[in-house]
Amino acid sequence: SAVISQKPSRDICQRGTSLTIQCQVDSQVTMMFWYRQQPGQSLTLIATANQGSEATYESGFVIDKFPISRPNLTFSTLTVSNMSPEDSSIYLCSVGGSQEQYFGPGTRLTVT
Amino acid sequence: QKEVEQDPGPLSVPEGAIVSLNCTYSNSAFQYFMWYRQYSRKGPELLMYTYSSGNKEDGRFTAQVDKSSKYISLFIRDSQPSDSATYLCAMSGVIGGGADGLTFGKGTHLIIQP
Repeated sequence: SAVISQKPSRDICQRGTSLTIQCQVDSQVTMMFWYRQQPGQSLTLIATANQGSEATYESGFVIDKFPISRPNLTFSTLTVSNMSPEDSSIYLCSVGGSQEQYFGPGTRLTVT
Repeated sequence: QKEVEQDPGPLSVPEGAIVSLNCTYSNSAFQYFMWYRQYSRKGPELLMYTYSSGNKEDGRFTAQVDKSSKYISLFIRDSQPSDSATYLCAMSGVIGGGADGLTFGKGTHLIIQP
């Protein structure tokens, strides 16, 4: 399985600001995924990021709010824009496919 | 009705007991079924995955899928205090390659009492 790291591990941000989360993988992967884990809720897919193409967003998530970059096969970023307290959550990246996906440690975001 | 239903617990059992964790789902397109373990303040760790109906065993863990009932289970034998964690079921619907995001249950918080 791949080794995945995320930065930052946690952050406290003020409403109206933006935070960019980085995801680094120790091997080249085709697909990367971004999920959100809100308190008491299921892990929810935000978007799928293929290298060299635009990210594909799930219903309820839009590019203006969660822009994603995928500059190469080992790295991706997720930006949470114009944050509100409702964006307080754990954000996770994962790699793999429909059978096996491996997750990073997550970024714990608190918006005040 | 949510796509995947999972009792959040907590489920508390004594050490050495057999644990049964379950999920039900509504979307018959799901073909791959996974179980993850998540410790507090950590990312989910893949325990097992199965394709379609049937059983799969790995050490103390057995995953079971019944597609006719849209019901999946994870059994843990000889449970240990280190098994205390949140267990997430997940599933996807892509067959034969490609990739698909996963749909998760809310997770069951399991406590193994020493």
